[in-house]
Amino acid sequence: GENVEQHPSTLSVQEGDSAVIKCTYSDSASNYFPWYKQELGKGPQLIIDIRSNVGEKKDQRIAVTLNKTAKHFSLHITETQPEDSAVYFCAAPDQGGKLIFGQGTELSVKP
Amino acid sequence: GAGVSQSPRYKVAKRGQDVALRCDPISGHVSLFWYQQALGQGPEFLTYFQNEAQLDKSGLPSDRFFAERPEGSVSTLKIQRTQQEDSAVYLCASSLAGPSRNEQFFGPGTRLTVL
Repeated sequence: GENVEQHPSTLSVQEGDSAVIKCTYSDSASNYFPWYKQELGKGPQLIIDIRSNVGEKKDQRIAVTLNKTAKHFSLHITETQPEDSAVYFCAAPDQGGKLIFGQGTELSVKP
Repeated sequence: GAGVSQSPRYKVAKRGQDVALRCDPISGHVSLFWYQQALGQGPEFLTYFQNEAQLDKSGLPSDRFFAERPEGSVSTLKIQRTQQEDSAVYLCASSLAGPSRNEQFFGPGTRLTVL
């Protein structure tokens, strides 16, 4: 089945710097890769996703890149702000379609 | 519009009690998922419904866990004879159509604490 590995587990950056979180997956048939942001006491919020027919997708300060050959995808946040502080999860679907999540990255943006 | 809602938000149960957790998906969403999230971990799949049909329950950890969605809308996750290891946040998510390639939207979760 699908296995998703996420790194780093914690990331601390200064406000205005960029943050990059990386994930690898094992199932080459996976074709949809969402990223979720989870704030304390809340459910995961979908912030961006990418499908296997594109290599990069951007939405304002957030971008996701996908390398299907290497089976990895990354989240890039530019010009980080304190409100970006949260736990971020990547995910990939298994062959049945259910999402397999990474272990999470706790991002801290220091003002 | 309204998102996915869950109730109660917090539940404390004594070991051995039964609990029922409710999920109201986004109106018109066909698919509904339950996940379990332990402290400091990512969500882990429990079960999946398409309308009222439970198509995948491979993630339910034991036969004490039971889920239903009788009318294809609201879903209930029931845990019988709760154990301390059941303590976790239980998340519900819904999506417009089938699970493959479709966005899943999560509710706020129910934090279950078993004493």
